[in-house]
Amino acid sequence: GDSVTQMEGPVTLSEEACLTINCTYTATGYPSLFWYVQYPGEGLQLLLKATKADDKGSNKGFEATYRKETTSFHLEKGSVQVSDSAVYFCALSEGGSYIPTFGRGTSLIVHP
Amino acid sequence: GAGVSQSPSNKVTEKGKDVELRCDPISGHTALYWYRQSLGQGLEFLIYFQGNSAPDKSGLPSDRFSAERTGGSVSTLTIQRTQQEDSAVYLCASSPGRRGPSGANVLTFGAGSRLTVL
Repeated sequence: GDSVTQMEGPVTLSEEACLTINCTYTATGYPSLFWYVQYPGEGLQLLLKATKADDKGSNKGFEATYRKETTSFHLEKGSVQVSDSAVYFCALSEGGSYIPTFGRGTSLIVHP
Repeated sequence: GAGVSQSPSNKVTEKGKDVELRCDPISGHTALYWYRQSLGQGLEFLIYFQGNSAPDKSGLPSDRFSAERTGGSVSTLTIQRTQQEDSAVYLCASSPGRRGPSGANVLTFGAGSRLTVL
C-alpha cells in the first residue's frame, strides 16, 4: 500500500538557518503530494502541494519539488523564522482515492 | 461555516465510559474524514464519508469505534467503553469531494478534540 516516510524530529535550528525536511513515498500510481503544517494548538493546514513530476510547490518561503525518480518531496526553506516552529506533515493522495496518507510528522523548533 | 469546528476541544473521561466527539464541516463540503493523532504516531486514518455513499470504515481500530454523518453535514465519532490507549487527539477534516483545478484533493482540518482516558 501507499506510505510516506519523513525524517524523525525534532529538528532544532537557529533563526535564519536553512531547513530541509526529507520526505519519501511509496505509491502504485502517480499521486499528488502535499506538505501540511500544524502550528501549536491548531489543526493541520495545507502549506504547499504538487500534482505531477517536476512540479515545484511553494508558499511562505517554503518549497518542495516532486521528484518521481527518487520518489521524494523534500521541504526546504532558505531562512527559517521563530514563527515557523510547528509540526510538518508530508502526505500523498493517489489518483483513484480521496483518502490521503500522511507521514508521522516532523517537529521543527526555531530558536531566536 | 468558515472552517471546520470540533467539540469538545478537550475531554477527560474514565476508562469504560462512552464518549462522543462532534465535527461540523465546512458548508458545502461533501467529504468528511476522521483521523487520530497519537504522540509519535502521526495521523491514523479512521473513517471517510463522501456524500450519500457508504462510508469507508477501513481505518476504525475496533468495533468500539463508530461514526455517523447526519444530513450530509455534522458528524459524530463515538467511542464505546473507552480504554487508556484511546487517548489521543481526534482530528476531523472536510474537503469539497472533488479535485480542484490543480487536480488535488485538499483537506481542511479542525483544531481537534483531545481525549484523555484515565
